[in-house]
Amino acid sequence: KNEVEQSPQNLTAQEGEFITINCSYSVGISALHWLQQHPGGGIVSLFMLSSGKKKHGRLIATINIQEKHSSLHITASHPRDSAVYICAVAGGTSYGKLTFGQGTILTVHP
Amino acid sequence: DTAVSQTPKYLVTQMGNDKSIKCEQNLGHDTMYWYKQDSKKFLKIMFSYNNKELIINETVPNRFSPKSPDKAHLNLHINSLELGDSAVYFCASSGGTGANEKLFFGSGTQLSVL
Repeated sequence: KNEVEQSPQNLTAQEGEFITINCSYSVGISALHWLQQHPGGGIVSLFMLSSGKKKHGRLIATINIQEKHSSLHITASHPRDSAVYICAVAGGTSYGKLTFGQGTILTVHP
Repeated sequence: DTAVSQTPKYLVTQMGNDKSIKCEQNLGHDTMYWYKQDSKKFLKIMFSYNNKELIINETVPNRFSPKSPDKAHLNLHINSLELGDSAVYFCASSGGTGANEKLFFGSGTQLSVL
């Protein structure tokens, strides 16, 4: 069992739908990252969380440290949101040593 | 200007060859990394450098040798390439080494070993 598990692994939605991607982890962390990998392959950092909630545009990320769980929400989804979303966790003195989830493939149809 | 640039984007080579992937960042960051993404899309850290000093070496075969001539560059040399080295390699950088540092990724190098 991986230290970081994401669900679902694949997600298909219609444009405009509200989307939730979940991430559970089994180790103590000091930060959790959400990354987006587009079909072209490039990786972009979306959020970095150590507590609470962050919002950027239509994206919202939450984390519950006690439950070792984080969610990434996309409101009013759009086909351009189609990508792989990756959760990654960092320990105390991580030096960039992130442990990654397997990714969630999101496809949004027009 | 691309913040983290790596070249080449595609690299096709024969088993046994030696190859290099170059990475440069213009963000003024102190820390650079190499990550490997396997065929199942799992990302895993290989190396981390802070101010040209090796910080993390994650049980990577010694055929892989990172070289950091200055803190803006972290190149990856691979000797005696094997079929299992085929993967996408990502360079990244961050301002520091803390767990809450945002990572900036290069566009990846797809290595195919035939």
